[in-house]
Amino acid sequence: GENVEQHPSTLSVQEGDSAVIKCTYSDSASNYFPWYKQELGKRPQLIIDIRSNVGEKKDQRIAVTLNKTAKHFSLHITETQPEDSAVYFCAAAIGANSKLTFGKGITLSVRP
Amino acid sequence: DAGVIQSPRHEVTEMGQEVTLRCKPISGHDYLFWYRQTMMRGLELLIYFNNNVPIDDSGMPEDRFSAKMPNASFSTLKIQPSEPRDSAVYFCASSQDWLVGTEAFFGQGTRLTVV
Repeated sequence: GENVEQHPSTLSVQEGDSAVIKCTYSDSASNYFPWYKQELGKRPQLIIDIRSNVGEKKDQRIAVTLNKTAKHFSLHITETQPEDSAVYFCAAAIGANSKLTFGKGITLSVRP
Repeated sequence: DAGVIQSPRHEVTEMGQEVTLRCKPISGHDYLFWYRQTMMRGLELLIYFNNNVPIDDSGMPEDRFSAKMPNASFSTLKIQPSEPRDSAVYFCASSQDWLVGTEAFFGQGTRLTVV
């Protein structure tokens, strides 16, 4: 089955700096890659996603890039703010069955 | 729509007792997922349904765990008998068909503590 890994497990950045979170996946058939943000004590919520026919997608301060050859994708957050502090999960799915496999999450801390 | 609704929000039970977690997916969503979240293992997929039919239960840890979806608007995850290592946050999520949109909407979760 699919295996999704995230590195590093924790990341601390200064407010205003950029943060990059990387994920790798194992199943070349995966074609849908979402990123979820989970604030403390709350549910995971989708922040951005990308499909395999696209190499990059942006939404204001966040962007996701996908390298299908290397089987990795990354989340980029620019001009980080304290409210960006949360756990971020990447996931991969084969669209036909919509089964999402999540990475273990990375805790991002933005220092004021 | 009120989103995915889970109950109870918190459950504390004694080892050996039966625990039933409940989920109401978003109306019109074809897929329903049960996840378990722990610090050590992150978000683990336990089982998922498509149109009320279990598709993949390979993530169910043991026979003590069972899940049902008797209709499109209700699912249960049952643990019998419960053990302390089952303590975790259990999330239910639902999504539409791939062609429409694959975002998985999560419920608020049920925090289970087995003592």
